[in-house]
Amino acid sequence: SAVISQKPSRDICQRGTSLTIQCQVDSQVTMMFWYRQQPGQSLTLIATANQGSEATYESGFVIDKFPISRPNLTFSTLTVSNMSPEDSSIYLCSVVWPIDTEAFFGQGTRLTVV
Amino acid sequence: AQTVTQSQPEMSVQEAETVTLSCTYDTSENNYYLFWYKQPPSRQMILVIRQEAYKQQNATENRFSVNFQKAAKSFSLKISDSQLGDTAMYFCAFTAGGTSYGKLTFGQGTILTVHP
Repeated sequence: SAVISQKPSRDICQRGTSLTIQCQVDSQVTMMFWYRQQPGQSLTLIATANQGSEATYESGFVIDKFPISRPNLTFSTLTVSNMSPEDSSIYLCSVVWPIDTEAFFGQGTRLTVV
Repeated sequence: AQTVTQSQPEMSVQEAETVTLSCTYDTSENNYYLFWYKQPPSRQMILVIRQEAYKQQNATENRFSVNFQKAAKSFSLKISDSQLGDTAMYFCAFTAGGTSYGKLTFGQGTILTVHP
């Protein structure tokens, strides 16, 4: 199994500011995934982060709003930029380990924008 | 693109009884996998069960089993001997195989409440 540490677990931020969420995995993984879960809703994939290349974004998500870094095989960050109240959500990172088996999730970051 | 649909926003069951959660999906992929995840109030996503599309045999995991109907694109979850700890949001999820493995498409979720 893979253990994922995600920080912060929650934050309250002012509109117009940015928040960076960190995801640390205890295994080396090729791909890391970032999801958004809006209040009372399901999870939606934001982007896939590969080490050494630019992240691949899903429809409706753009790099300027959600820049992602992937400096090595065990770490990734997601930044939520220029936040508005509509960005209030839970953000989760995920990895698959071992390959082609179970997807593990971080504990999630509950973001509230005021 | 694939879609996953859960038509039951909420379900309830008495402790020790059996409940079935429904899920349908649509895809043009031949190589894919289906999952049920549980999300308790702690927000932690927990894998309940996994099914490979190429396997005809339905997956089982202790009290949890699925009814996988590939032709009908149906993937329901049966929870037997329900326990209070089963109370959670349940998500059905899909991923294609190969290089897309891990990119999950989720259904809308079903809130399950187990009553004592």
